[in-house]
Amino acid sequence: AQSVTQLDSQVPVFEEAPVELRCNYSSSVSVYLFWYVQYPNQGLQLLLKYLSGSTLVKGINGFEAEFNKSQTSFHLRKPSVHISDTAEYFCAVTRSQGNLIFGKGTKLSVKP
Amino acid sequence: DTGVSQDPRHKITKRGQNVTFRCDPISEHNRLYWYRQTLGQGPEFLTYFQNEAQLEKSRLLSDRFSAERPKGSFSTLEIQRTEQGDSAMYLCASSLDTRGEQFFGPGTRLTVL
Repeated sequence: AQSVTQLDSQVPVFEEAPVELRCNYSSSVSVYLFWYVQYPNQGLQLLLKYLSGSTLVKGINGFEAEFNKSQTSFHLRKPSVHISDTAEYFCAVTRSQGNLIFGKGTKLSVKP
Repeated sequence: DTGVSQDPRHKITKRGQNVTFRCDPISEHNRLYWYRQTLGQGPEFLTYFQNEAQLEKSRLLSDRFSAERPKGSFSTLEIQRTEQGDSAMYLCASSLDTRGEQFFGPGTRLTVL
């Protein structure tokens, strides 16, 4: 069975500082990996995805993630955060059938 | 707006009542998914459709839950004899295929009193 662990439930950070949100997954087969963002009172929006190819994936809003098969990780990074990045971030994994398995989420709080 | 829409956005009901939610996917998307999200948790998969066929159901989907997607367009999720534990945000998503991005609707927040 697949599972996703987001190691930090809350991450406070100052504006313009770098941030890393950690995600580890467990699966015995090849998977596809995703990061979604959920702003307050809004639906989930895809930030980036890894399907195959380059292990460094770039997404929207300056975010990027690196797929590390040996570490079974897919950490999300941004070199300089803005107040507007305050939101909850979800890591998700799926096999070929498409239904997503989500982590519990990480609340990113960017302070001025 | 051509995104995924859900109706209603909020539903308050009394324990034991039946409720039905509707999801309208992006028009060309043949896959439609239902998820449930409770406070402090990530979304949990409930079921999905490929066109009008319901292909997989999670163990979370008890026999009080039923979902349909007639004609492969909109979908409904019905909960019969609601319980307080059914209180959650119910999310719908659609995609073009299994590897594609899933586009999520705004969700229906259910509160069972």
